[in-house]
Amino acid sequence: EVHLVESGGGLVQPGGSLRLSCAASGFTFNSYWMRWIRQAPGRGLEWVANIKEDGSQKYYLGSVKGRFTVSRDNAKNSLYLQMNSLRADDTAIYYCVSGRRGSSWDHWGQGTLVTVSS
Amino acid sequence: DVVMSQSPLSLPVTLGQPASISCRSSQSLVHSDGNTYLHWFQQRPGQSPRRLIYGVSNRDSGVPDRFSGSGSGADFTLKISRVEAEDIGVYYCMQETHWPFTFGPGTKVDI
Repeated sequence: EVHLVESGGGLVQPGGSLRLSCAASGFTFNSYWMRWIRQAPGRGLEWVANIKEDGSQKYYLGSVKGRFTVSRDNAKNSLYLQMNSLRADDTAIYYCVSGRRGSSWDHWGQGTLVTVSS
Repeated sequence: DVVMSQSPLSLPVTLGQPASISCRSSQSLVHSDGNTYLHWFQQRPGQSPRRLIYGVSNRDSGVPDRFSGSGSGADFTLKISRVEAEDIGVYYCMQETHWPFTFGPGTKVDI
């Protein structure tokens, strides 16, 4: 069974940093692109970042580019999101997602809450 | 960025009756590879989202056949043939053709 477990969320002051982690199990982690998708409280969904199977390609939402860095460690079956210069509008639940747009493969973690507030 | 719109934003339903949600994109979602990467997600209260439909009309594994997707270009529809109580939640369309990938605002389905 596929499991994606996020961790690392919490309360941080504006301008601060956090590193989110996602532990994956139950599938061949290094065979899939991975994504971070977020959801502000009571709001809709927003795609934050993508990373290719081998980490060679990364894509970012414009508003986080230069502040967030997505990475992965295939040996540890783990996905990461380093978030710097955090702003209040980064407050959201961050989901780790494994999905393929052209086939029936789409799995979400339970999410980790990031709150940016003074 | 591609803007996704949905209608209605709130959909009162009756159990056992059909329901339909419309999704429109600000530009065609046909990819250069010929595929159209328009998906539908369901988010039940208090749960993570779950994809129901990928590539306009393909049901994901385990999705009941009362859910169906249709459409082309920039105009898409999700239909529920007979609403069940477990279908209550928010439904999002999402395009995965043009980066940045974008979601619609969501349609809240409630009794």
